[in-house]
Amino acid sequence: QQQVKQSPQSLIVQKGGISIINCAYENTAFDYFPWYQQFPGKGPALLIAIRPDVSEKKEGRFTISFNKSAKQFSLHIMDSQPGDSATYFCAAVNHGGSQGNLIFGKGTKLSVKP
Amino acid sequence: NAGVTQTPKFRILKIGQSMTLQCTQDMNHNYMYWYRQDPGMGLKLIYYSVGAGITDKGEVPNGYNVSRSTTEDFPLRLELAAPSQTSVYFCASRFGGARAEAFFGQGTRLTVV
Repeated sequence: QQQVKQSPQSLIVQKGGISIINCAYENTAFDYFPWYQQFPGKGPALLIAIRPDVSEKKEGRFTISFNKSAKQFSLHIMDSQPGDSATYFCAAVNHGGSQGNLIFGKGTKLSVKP
Repeated sequence: NAGVTQTPKFRILKIGQSMTLQCTQDMNHNYMYWYRQDPGMGLKLIYYSVGAGITDKGEVPNGYNVSRSTTEDFPLRLELAAPSQTSVYFCASRFGGARAEAFFGQGTRLTVV
């Protein structure tokens, strides 16, 4: 129940295309869903996050879509650029338990081809 | 403002040796975490701390120990290193409020041979 399932494991997109990464969870106590971006040799950094009472959040080219009834959420990267090539992790947090620890998906390695 | 600083960046250990991975943060965060990252496996929580003097186990604590004597520092101790501990280790910190952003260090790449 503490798992967050992420797919695909890897993704290749052409420059200008749309990148879509999907995540699913079981624990309905999760109340915060951040996405982290990690470049090679660096630590993860917060990209964008959403609360479960919101169905969509957009920041620039990055959009999170959230489906509470299906317990699924996804990251869409519009007009993907080579500089977006990185590993993306979805995560979930239950602030009412486990001291608000981040539960991470296994990551998606995105490559954007020029 | 340095954020979260981890040392060393790289280390090779022999089986059975011990070492301490250092982590310090200058943001006055009360929560601190140690994760390990293995290829295709995401980040798994080893130990965490909600304040000085308070630590607790995460998902994969075996073979590791931590202490938190100050707000700033959260060292991770490996006793009797094993090849299964070959990994990239990340320290993170955040404030304790709901939806607070977690800040990560740059990682320590450890190889046990």
